[in-house]
Amino acid sequence: DVQLAESGGNLVQPGGSLTLSCAASGFNVSDNYMSWVRQAPEKGLEWVSIIYSGGNTYYAEAVKDRFLVTRDNSKNTLNLQMNSLSAEDTAVYYCVRSLGGVLDYWGLGTLVTVSS
Amino acid sequence: QSALTQPASVSGSPGQSITISCTGTSRDVGGYEFVSWYQQLPGTAPKVIIYHVSKRPSGVSDRFSGSKSGNTASLNISGLQGEDEADYYCSSFTSRATYVFGSGTKVSVL
Repeated sequence: DVQLAESGGNLVQPGGSLTLSCAASGFNVSDNYMSWVRQAPEKGLEWVSIIYSGGNTYYAEAVKDRFLVTRDNSKNTLNLQMNSLSAEDTAVYYCVRSLGGVLDYWGLGTLVTVSS
Repeated sequence: QSALTQPASVSGSPGQSITISCTGTSRDVGGYEFVSWYQQLPGTAPKVIIYHVSKRPSGVSDRFSGSKSGNTASLNISGLQGEDEADYYCSSFTSRATYVFGSGTKVSVL
């Protein structure tokens, strides 16, 4: 069975940093395209970033130059390093497998709250 | 990348059919067959119900169907049921090798 489990969400002060992790099971992160999607409280879904199997990465304009997506093939995990956080980054962050143009498997999400 | 345009809300009576539109551009919806639809029940993660414009994953009711014309994709829900009350989002692959979501539609069953 394919499963994704995010961790690392927390309360962080504005300007701070946080790293999220996503443990995958049932498939290899290295062989797939993996995305992060976020959802601010009572708001819609927002695509954040993607890492392709070849290693190329892309980001939404709102997080470009502040967020970094990486993967650890030995641990079969996906990571999202987030810097210079602001209140606008407060959201539930989902780890999602992005295979063949469809975001097919989603984790349960982890909550990031940016507040002083 | 601007969000794809969806109506904020759509409602219908049990048994009726409703359609949710999703309008983008030639750089996303109009340019690729990688349009998906997601259902999100309150407090849960989204679930894909339509992918590649019109395909249904195993286990998804055939009351859900998708289509596309030009830069607009559509989700049709036939035989509306109370369990269909949820938020629905479209998504498309884009020319920048990224994804973009729709603004979301709240479906209510009267």
